Amino acid sequence: DTAVSQTPKYLVTQMGNDKSIKCEQNLGHDTMYWYKQDSKKFLKIMFSYNNKELIINETVPNRFSPKSPDKAHLNLHINSLELGDSAVYFCASSLSGSDEQYFGPGTRLTVT
Amino acid sequence: QQQVKQSPQSLIVQKGGISIINCAYENTAFDYFPWYQQFPGKGPALLIAIRPDVSEKKEGRFTISFNKSAKQFSLHIMDSQPGDSATYFCAATAGTSYGKLTFGQGTILTVHP
Repeated sequence: DTAVSQTPKYLVTQMGNDKSIKCEQNLGHDTMYWYKQDSKKFLKIMFSYNNKELIINETVPNRFSPKSPDKAHLNLHINSLELGDSAVYFCASSLSGSDEQYFGPGTRLTVT
Repeated sequence: QQQVKQSPQSLIVQKGGISIINCAYENTAFDYFPWYQQFPGKGPALLIAIRPDVSEKKEGRFTISFNKSAKQFSLHIMDSQPGDSATYFCAATAGTSYGKLTFGQGTILTVHP
């Protein structure tokens, strides 16, 4: 059983389109995150949700909008995609009071 | 602002050798220092972590050494194996940061058979 899963694994789209990435965790965690890994493999946090509430928003453009329908899901919607959005996006989760974060397999987004 | 600096960028080790990756941090509020291992096409996986109240933590072939006064910590992989070939990331977080992990730049480790 996959602990943190993401769909799709690959996403190729054109500039200007809108796309969504879905994340689900079955670990019983209450905190979920989105990270962006750029072409140089640098990992940077984008958002964090705790019990469906946004707690971290790291100067990410407004075109990115996370949504958490429940504690087990955190989706990322991206409007008006730009070339610079091409990256691998990772979802992660943790339990309140624990610093251990568990990452999903990633979604490779390519904007052409 | 790069708060966690990692070196080297890449490392080649022979099978059975010791791999050492170093990290330095600036934020003295950091109180949790994990290392993640990432294989190509996979997500980062938590490998081992340490808190500042101890100077060393060992799990199998993996050891973290921590120097609070120097604000440095390192990962030692003993008896390195080809299966250890991956990208390693150090990271840090503070208890007040709601779980925000600040990552180092990553080290690509290659272990030759």
